Amino acid sequence: LAKTTQPISMDSYEGQEVNITCSHNNIATNDYITWYQQFPSQGPRFIIQGYKTKVTNEVASLFIPADRKSSTLSLPRVSLSDTAVYYCLVGSTGAGSYQLTFGKGTKLSVIP
Amino acid sequence: GAVVSQHPSRVICKSGTSVKIECRSLDFQATTMFWYRQFPKQSLMLMATSNEGSKATYEQGVEKDKFLINHASLTLSTLTVTSAHPEDSSFYICSASNRVVFTDTQYFGPGTRLTVL
Repeated sequence: LAKTTQPISMDSYEGQEVNITCSHNNIATNDYITWYQQFPSQGPRFIIQGYKTKVTNEVASLFIPADRKSSTLSLPRVSLSDTAVYYCLVGSTGAGSYQLTFGKGTKLSVIP
Repeated sequence: GAVVSQHPSRVICKSGTSVKIECRSLDFQATTMFWYRQFPKQSLMLMATSNEGSKATYEQGVEKDKFLINHASLTLSTLTVTSAHPEDSSFYICSASNRVVFTDTQYFGPGTRLTVL
């Protein structure tokens, strides 16, 4: 299973762009990179998923370099409601099914 | 789309009793469902993976006789904590997926807070 490494915590002021970088040096050829957001006492919420280059949706962008050994989640103009834990995961296949291994995540605190 | 529900959202039970938690995919067929456990201020830990109609695959250290998982249909999986003890108190979260539709994306339920007295 591909292991991921993220900063434990980050602080940001409201209105700023936040970039959270995740390293996954042993990512496999078939693995996708997925980011989730989790608020306290709630299940993780899917944010974005990508395989290579750049992916953008209505809430975030995901930048993946050519070697795919890292990825960066970009949140434009964060608000207080974006305070949460963000997890970077790399999908891994095996025996016909697949698993996601959650690391410690990055606790983002948005300051007014 | 891709909504997953869990029931109940929270449950309190006495030590020694059994508790069943339901996980449902509301708008898609979940070929695979996962059960996680999360202790306070910690990350999610995968407990088991289940494919519809098959026996669940448990992670190392998870007792299959204590945490019974049934995935009888493409929209429902249940986790039964048998003979619950205070150390089983935790936040249990399920997720569901359909690799044909969603590739490697899992969609998570809102979680169930279990408190064993």
